[in-house]
Amino acid sequence: GDSVTQMEGPVTLSEEAFLTINCTYTATGYPSLFWYVQYPGEGLQLLLKATKADDKGSNKGFEATYRKETTSFHLEKGSVQVSDSAVYFCALTSNTGRRALTFGSGTRLQVQP
Amino acid sequence: GAGVSQTPSNKVTEKGKYVELRCDPISGHTALYWYRQSLGQGPEFLIYFQGTGAADDSGLPNDRFFAVRPEGSVSTLKIQRTERGDSAVYLCASSLDGGNTEAFFGQGTRLTVV
Repeated sequence: GDSVTQMEGPVTLSEEAFLTINCTYTATGYPSLFWYVQYPGEGLQLLLKATKADDKGSNKGFEATYRKETTSFHLEKGSVQVSDSAVYFCALTSNTGRRALTFGSGTRLQVQP
Repeated sequence: GAGVSQTPSNKVTEKGKYVELRCDPISGHTALYWYRQSLGQGPEFLIYFQGTGAADDSGLPNDRFFAVRPEGSVSTLKIQRTERGDSAVYLCASSLDGGNTEAFFGQGTRLTVV
């Protein structure tokens, strides 16, 4: 079945550091890929998405590129802020089967001032 | 409403009891999903409704779990004979039509079975 693997946390960075959170996936067909974020005390929110190979999703300074050849969708940000501290989830939906999201286990990011 | 609303926000119940968890989706959203999130894990799919019907219930772990959406809006997740292993945060999400449109999540119900 479909699955998503992301790097374990916590990831601890200083403010203005470069961020990468790795995500790889296994899926049949051509999935759509997502990053969701969960800020402390809040519900899951869509951060960005990409629906086909080589697409780049971007939002709030975060970017991720859909790489079919490496089955990856790594999340990057050039300069993190304390307010980016949250749990980040990589996820996919299949275009051939289940419509619901399949999530990775999440990566906690802690940004220190 | 403005967003997906889930009630209660917290529920503590004794082992063996029956519980109901409610989800009120965004008005006009035809697709509704239930997920379960255990500590330190990502959400796991339980069931997906398109309108009033359960289009995919393959994620329900066993027959103690059941969900309904009788009028195509509010949904209730029902758990019979609760077990300690059912303790988790139960998340509800809705989307406009269940395709690749954005899914909006509620804040979840934290269920603790003691």
